[in-house]
Amino acid sequence: GGIITQTPKFLIGQEGQKLTLKCQQNFNHDTMYWYRQDSGKGLRLIYYSITENDLQKGDLSEGYDASREKKSSFSLTVTSAQKNEMAVFLCASIDWGGPETLYFGSGTRLTVL
Amino acid sequence: SQWGEENLQALSIQEGEDVTMNCSYKTYTTVVQWYRQKSGKGPAQLILIRSNEREKRSGRLRATLDTSSQSSSLSITGTLATDTAVYFCANTNTGKLTFGDGTVLTVKP
Repeated sequence: GGIITQTPKFLIGQEGQKLTLKCQQNFNHDTMYWYRQDSGKGLRLIYYSITENDLQKGDLSEGYDASREKKSSFSLTVTSAQKNEMAVFLCASIDWGGPETLYFGSGTRLTVL
Repeated sequence: SQWGEENLQALSIQEGEDVTMNCSYKTYTTVVQWYRQKSGKGPAQLILIRSNEREKRSGRLRATLDTSSQSSSLSITGTLATDTAVYFCANTNTGKLTFGDGTVLTVKP
């Protein structure tokens, strides 16, 4: 089996700060996703990457950048942290040509002071 | 509002009862997946149903898909207290995987 590792688990930043969240997967999956989950709400898609050299905006991409450094890693940058961005950020990966099971990391909880 | 912006719906039932949760989606989809999220964890995939399938079963779970009304349902028979969780549907088209608003299911022992 594989695993998705998100670092850090907890991230505390100042308003206006640029912050980077990292995600690594060892499933050898082509496709990776970043979601934001606010407390008591659903998951909103920020960015996704179908293959290693692909990068696509989701429904909530404004205020974020993403980078697919290599097949196994997908980073998300909060370009200027805002107080209303406190949420859990979840990374996920899937093999659409295979079992089509989406696996999630355990999340990064962002707090903006 | 976007999917995922609304507060989660809530259902509370007694152990042993059956329950059905519904989901509608806005765009053309090739696959609908249902997920369960327990407190403090990431979502876990339960069942996947394709656009050419009307129904899919897995143990106590049954998913349906109606492409004409762009809706899907997840039924759980004989619920257990351990089924307490948040349930989401997600749909995909050309790799963009979007989650629905979700239902908080509480199963009382």
